[in-house]
Amino acid sequence: LAKITQPISMDSYEGQEVNITCSHNNIATNDYITWYQQFPSQGPRFIIQGYKTKVTNEVASLFIPADRKSSTLSLPRVSLSDTAVYYCLVGEPSTSGTYKYIFGTGTRLKVLA
Amino acid sequence: GAVVSQHPSWVICKSGTSVKIECRSLDFQATTMFWYRQFPKQSLMLMATSNEGSKATYEQGVEKDKFLINHASLTLSTLTVTSAHPEDSSFYICSARVEGPEDQFFGPGTRLTVL
Repeated sequence: LAKITQPISMDSYEGQEVNITCSHNNIATNDYITWYQQFPSQGPRFIIQGYKTKVTNEVASLFIPADRKSSTLSLPRVSLSDTAVYYCLVGEPSTSGTYKYIFGTGTRLKVLA
Repeated sequence: GAVVSQHPSWVICKSGTSVKIECRSLDFQATTMFWYRQFPKQSLMLMATSNEGSKATYEQGVEKDKFLINHASLTLSTLTVTSAHPEDSSFYICSARVEGPEDQFFGPGTRLTVL
């Protein structure tokens, strides 16, 4: 699987909507797309997962176009506490005992007051 | 929700020594756990898949004799960094496989510094 790329960094103001893209040109048919939030010196925290079209939960939305070569995480109204690094993960859970999980390069989001 | 713990949270050791890191699933059983490594300001890289009762599966480029993985029970996997060197200094993160949309729950990570 080729490198999964994201913008290095983004700045936003409190209350704005933030959209972070992830490019995964070689995504396989069975791969899911998952987004995580990571604070310094902590493990990643799950945000949302999808396979195609649009998924929404209480904290975010995930948009996946028909060709699935990219995805966009949308955070509706960010606050200062959303300042973190956001990673997309492309992977395929397997029943055969082998797994393939590849993280994107990560996007450092800074929310300004 | 599922909780995964790691111990220790940080460790400093001398070059040439071995360090063991534990990963525990606290309130669920995990037949599969994963070990990741993260260098400063970089993304997470999957090192190996740890399967309870069988040998771990290592990713390409990860030395299995240097990074020993043992998954002796359904709630514990250990990663031993043998003969550690300064270039092994990193943030090591484990996760446990779960059924359902989240796929895996991550531990808080262990910061290893080799002097």
